[in-house]
Amino acid sequence: NAGVTQTPKFRVLKTGQSMTLLCAQDMNHEYMYWYRQDPGMGLRLIHYSVGEGTTAKGEVPDGYNVSRLKKQNFLLGLESAAPSQTSVYFCASVKGPGSYNEQFFGPGTRLTVL
Amino acid sequence: KNEVEQSPQNLTAQEGEFITINCSYSVGISALHWLQQHPGGGIVSLFMLSSGKKKHGRLIATINIQEKHSSLHITASHPRDSAVYICAAPLWETSGSRLTFGEGTQLTVNP
Repeated sequence: NAGVTQTPKFRVLKTGQSMTLLCAQDMNHEYMYWYRQDPGMGLRLIHYSVGEGTTAKGEVPDGYNVSRLKKQNFLLGLESAAPSQTSVYFCASVKGPGSYNEQFFGPGTRLTVL
Repeated sequence: KNEVEQSPQNLTAQEGEFITINCSYSVGISALHWLQQHPGGGIVSLFMLSSGKKKHGRLIATINIQEKHSSLHITASHPRDSAVYICAAPLWETSGSRLTFGEGTQLTVNP
C-alpha cells in the first residue's frame, strides 16, 4: 500500500497563476482533509470531505476550492494564487468518523507563490 | 485563544534526559491525539488516548480528561527523537469530524 500520496512535492507559482494539488489514498478511507502548515501556526484545516461527492469548509477556506469526485482522490485548487498562500500543504485521510481513528498524512507539498 | 495549547514551544535537551511536553485543551473531547513530525516533514500518529496512560517504547502519553490536560514523556532521550511533537483534539461538527491542532513543540536532543 502506498498510503497517502501527494502530487506535486514542490511547486513555485507566480501571483495569479492557478494550480491543482492531488491527494490520493489507497486505504478505502471515507474522510479526507487538506491542511496548510505555516511557521508558528500549526496545522490549519482548509477543506475536508466525509465521502465521495461531499466537501466542507474548514478554518481557512478562502482562496481554495476542492473536489472529491472519486473516493480515493481529493483535489485542492488555487484559482488565483497569492503570496499569502505560500505554505506547506498536507493531505490526510481517516477511515471514518470517530475520535479514535488515526489520521494518515501525505508527505506534503511545498508551495511558493512569488 | 487556541482550543489546543502546547508548552513549551521549543525544547532543547541532552541525550539521556527525561523530557515532558504538555498539552492543554479547552474543548470537551473523548480522545486526544499525539503526532510526530520528522525533520523531513512527514507526520505520523503516535498515540490516541482517552484516559490514563499509554506507552510505546520510550514514549509515554498520559491524559487527565477532567483537568483537560495531557503530557507526552520521552525517557532516555536520543538525538533521533528530535522532531516536532503535536497534540490534537477531535472536534465534531454537523458536516463531520476533524482535528484541531496545537502549534507543536520543537524538540532538539543533542548528543
